[in-house]
Amino acid sequence: NAGVMQNPRHLVRRRGQEARLRCSPMKGHSHVYWYRQLPEEGLKFMVYLQKENIIDESGMPKERFSAEFPKEGPSILRIQQVVRGDSAAYFCASSPEIGGAYYNEQFFGPGTRLTVL
Amino acid sequence: AQRVTQPEKLLSVFKGAPVELKCNYSYSGSPELFWYVQYSRQRLQLLLRHISRESIKGFTADLNKGETSFHLKKPFAQEEDSAMYYCALSGTYKYIFGTGTRLKVLA
Repeated sequence: NAGVMQNPRHLVRRRGQEARLRCSPMKGHSHVYWYRQLPEEGLKFMVYLQKENIIDESGMPKERFSAEFPKEGPSILRIQQVVRGDSAAYFCASSPEIGGAYYNEQFFGPGTRLTVL
Repeated sequence: AQRVTQPEKLLSVFKGAPVELKCNYSYSGSPELFWYVQYSRQRLQLLLRHISRESIKGFTADLNKGETSFHLKKPFAQEEDSAMYYCALSGTYKYIFGTGTRLKVLA
């Protein structure tokens, strides 16, 4: 099992461009979470998705940010019209089906470092 | 408010010395507590969780509900322990992370 995959690992965008971050969960995992880490801060929850459903997006900015987890393919975090304040590391995590004793252990990807010029 | 506090940004110890990384939390309810470690250029990986009561790589952590703490300890630090350590809590599916402590073990 290759673990949670994220690409690209580094992404540079100019202000006003769009950023697309991809996350492939571990095999057999149907729950995906996105976190953002601003410089000098801890990881902050953004959104929780299951296949084709957004369960909780309470941590996501209301504008310019969106996330999806389609039936086929990776989860995508999309940031439109990026601004300098969006520069951060974005981590994706996945977990297996809820129900077991350890359902809420999350496995993290290596992160995507977004730099907005 | 739900919060995890790691008061030390950086902790430097000599090899063979004891290590204690502090973590305090604020949560109404019974959260699950975790310690994650991030070695240089690697992803976050689970070090231990309070419900499993395991000792991983010589590290232990005891949940103290009275003091709302989950400090990470190791009796004898090794150079390979140098990394970023994050304390996190989970009440449901959301993880709340502390800001992390960088541990440097000096030769």
